[in-house]
Amino acid sequence: EVQLVESGGGLVQPGGSLRLSCGASGFTFSSYEMHWVRQAPGKGLEWVSNIRSGGNNIYYADSVKGRFTISRDNAKNSLYLQMNSLRAEDTAVYYCAREVRDANNYGAFDIWGQGTMVTVSS
Amino acid sequence: QSVLTQPPSASGTPGQRVTISCSGSSSNIGSNIVNWYQQLPGTAPKLLIYSNNQRPSGVPDRFSGSKSGTSASLAISGLQSEDEADYYCAAWDRSLKAWVFGGGTKLTVL
Repeated sequence: EVQLVESGGGLVQPGGSLRLSCGASGFTFSSYEMHWVRQAPGKGLEWVSNIRSGGNNIYYADSVKGRFTISRDNAKNSLYLQMNSLRAEDTAVYYCAREVRDANNYGAFDIWGQGTMVTVSS
Repeated sequence: QSVLTQPPSASGTPGQRVTISCSGSSSNIGSNIVNWYQQLPGTAPKLLIYSNNQRPSGVPDRFSGSKSGTSASLAISGLQSEDEADYYCAAWDRSLKAWVFGGGTKLTVL
């Protein structure tokens, strides 16, 4: 079964750090571009970051640039998000998602994890 | 304030057809494809429509998508109670170099 499972969420104080992990199974992880998308309580979806299959071509949303770092270990079928200098507005459910490309090389997020909750509060 | 604009809510009765709009700009919808996601209460989002109008395997043909210029639409025909969910449009923005989402539309089946 194709699956993504996030872990690492929790309660952290403002200014603190947290590292999220996303384990992949059921597909060739190293062949896919991966993303982090978050959703604040009662709010909509916000794209956070992506990383190409080989670990290059990384992009970040302006809201997290300079504070978050995305990485991957293809040998371990794992995606990571290192979050530093956390703020209250980073409180959200964080989803990892796989991007699939169609015949025209257009992408879409076809597989999502169940999400992990990050709460930034004192 | 989301880069893509969706109505916050929509509603319909069982069997009806409803449409949800998504408005963007030349740097996102105007120059890239649009995807739609369905999020049932308490669950992760699910890909509903990709590349403007394509349905992934398993998505009923009651769901359809279209795009024209800098706007896109999701149509749901033969509305069912299980369609009650939040719906999001998304597109790559070439100026922001970021994926952007609409604010989401909460669909209520009356």
